Amino acid sequence: GESVGLHLPTLSVQEGDNSIINCAYSNSASDYFIWYKQESGKGPQFIIDIRSNMDKRQGQRVTVLLNKTVKHLSLQIAATQPGDSAVYFCEENMIGRRALTFGSGTRLQVQP
Amino acid sequence: GAGVSQTPSNKVTEKGKYVELRCDPISGHTALYWYRQSLGQGPEFLIYFQGTGAADDSGLPNDRFFAVRPEGSVSTLKIQRTERGDSAVYLCASSPRTSGSTGELFFGEGSRLTVL
Repeated sequence: GESVGLHLPTLSVQEGDNSIINCAYSNSASDYFIWYKQESGKGPQFIIDIRSNMDKRQGQRVTVLLNKTVKHLSLQIAATQPGDSAVYFCEENMIGRRALTFGSGTRLQVQP
Repeated sequence: GAGVSQTPSNKVTEKGKYVELRCDPISGHTALYWYRQSLGQGPEFLIYFQGTGAADDSGLPNDRFFAVRPEGSVSTLKIQRTERGDSAVYLCASSPRTSGSTGELFFGEGSRLTVL
């Protein structure tokens, strides 16, 4: 299928390295954030979420960091694998009214 | 299947025509969302249903766009008098959360609409 995000910023990493994908969000009132992974021709897939009362949350091989002071979110992927190659989006929300705003995305390319 | 199902997967139509895109959410999911995704962009929110009612339709771009979910399960996005700028992938997502405010959204693979 047609590739999502042909003109997106691209991060290229070697297999086994750690990856850091960044996202600047716009609304200081946003209090709930989700990272999604989107492979070509598919819908976004949930990776990890974080509420604004936390500044760090860890999952399996992934860590999300939240800096509310500068409205910045990052996704860290440990020991990146070829299967991690995809476009990554952050979603910002306000609990109670899910604003459902996605960032423009970053393409991650993992070189074997 | 167990996931969100969207049909058709591809739709090519002529400018001015009417189209319907269907979403069959995961069984039991009360919240249903429609998004539009253009090439190189993140998904853009269109409308959110909680049960049968549209809880938030603030993302619908104009009155040519309309969506229904009459029985609280399957939803149809309807686009009248299509324009070339409507060409995009239309994504549907569902969630089991009754509030719809937190938690994972489960996305379908989308319906690619091309308006010639």
